[in-house]
Amino acid sequence: GNSVTQMEGPVTLSEEAFLTINCTYTATGYPSLFWYVQYPGEGLQLLLKATKADDKGSNKGFEATYRKETTSFHLEKGSVQVSDSAVYFCALIITSGTYKYIFGTGTRLKVLA
Amino acid sequence: GAVVSQHPSWVICKSGTSVKIECRSLDFQATTMFWYRQFPKQSLMLMATSNEGSKATYEQGVEKDKFLINHASLTLSTLTVTSAHPEDSSFYICSASQPDGHSGRGQPQHFGDGTRLSIL
Repeated sequence: GNSVTQMEGPVTLSEEAFLTINCTYTATGYPSLFWYVQYPGEGLQLLLKATKADDKGSNKGFEATYRKETTSFHLEKGSVQVSDSAVYFCALIITSGTYKYIFGTGTRLKVLA
Repeated sequence: GAVVSQHPSWVICKSGTSVKIECRSLDFQATTMFWYRQFPKQSLMLMATSNEGSKATYEQGVEKDKFLINHASLTLSTLTVTSAHPEDSSFYICSASQPDGHSGRGQPQHFGDGTRLSIL
């Protein structure tokens, strides 16, 4: 079946530290991959996306590369800020039939000043 | 950018009442909208896919008579929690996708800010 596996949190880092949040997937065909961020009490915001193998999505200093060979889409940022504290969701979309999203369980990031 | 508005953002009501949540796409037409439920510190659980002009498609285990979905126009979908009880208390989030054209690659979904429902 189709699924997304994210590293469990919470992840606690000091400001300016390097961030990696692992995400791997299983899917039939070639899904599109996304990272969403959720701040407390809010809905989800699209952070970045990649639609085919070797694509790199980037936004606000965050990056993720669609790796077909390892079925991964790890999120990275070189220097985190306190304002990056949030929950991050990895997701894939199945493009056959309805565009149904499969979400990972989310990883909570806490950045300390 | 594409904006999805969800209303209300927070509602508290007595057990047994029905609650309607609205989801609007403000600057695009959405033939399909999605309703999710999120429990504290957990991921989003897809409840149903709302299709404009037709019946919603519910995920396994979701009671369609309990969670009524209406998608009467290309910019509005509503979720009504009927005869709500404390166990229905949760964070409900809607989303919508812009038309994908012919790319077949899947557009990102745009999410509302969610509705926190508390049933006393």
